[in-house]
Amino acid sequence: EVQLVESGGGLVQPGGSLRLSCAASGFTFSSYSMNWVRQAPGKGLEWVSYISSSSSTIYYADSVKGRFTISRDNAKNSLYLQMNSLRAEDTAVYYCARDRQTYEFDPWGQGTLVTVSS
Amino acid sequence: DIQMTQSPSSLSASVGDRVTITCQASQDISNYLNWYQQKPGKAPKLLIYDASNLETGVPSRFSGSGSGTDFTFTISSLQPEDIATYYCQQYDNLPITFGPGTKVDIK
Repeated sequence: EVQLVESGGGLVQPGGSLRLSCAASGFTFSSYSMNWVRQAPGKGLEWVSYISSSSSTIYYADSVKGRFTISRDNAKNSLYLQMNSLRAEDTAVYYCARDRQTYEFDPWGQGTLVTVSS
Repeated sequence: DIQMTQSPSSLSASVGDRVTITCQASQDISNYLNWYQQKPGKAPKLLIYDASNLETGVPSRFSGSGSGTDFTFTISSLQPEDIATYYCQQYDNLPITFGPGTKVDIK
């Protein structure tokens, strides 16, 4: 079964940092691009970042560019999102999603909640 | 950025009703559009890709159509398990953008 499991969310103060992880299983992780997508409480979906299978291509939404860093470890079947200089508006559930083919997000993990508050 | 709009923002229909959701892009995106279903408290699930292709395992009562700037998502016979919010998503240009969602519930 293809599965993605996020971890690392929690409560952090404005200006703080957090590192999210996404553990993949049930498929050849190194063959797929991956994405992070977030959803603020009660709001819609916002794409955050993309990384190609070999990490050679990386994209970010303007809202996180310069503050967030996406990375992956294919040997560990893991995806990461390093989040620095966090703001209240970064509060959201963060999902990792496999890029099945050209930004077809399938499947998604269960999400991890990040709350930025003092 | 390509802006995506959806209408209606919410709807209430009876079991067995035909439900139609529209999605409009701010510029031509060809058929580079996907539809997702998000049930309460759950992660989104891909239902339709490339505007009209039904994802494997998804019931045939779901369908999608359209190209260019105007797209339609249809549930031919609404079932209780279809209660969810539905999102369109364009992938013609970065950044990837989603519509604001359409919440569907049972009357």
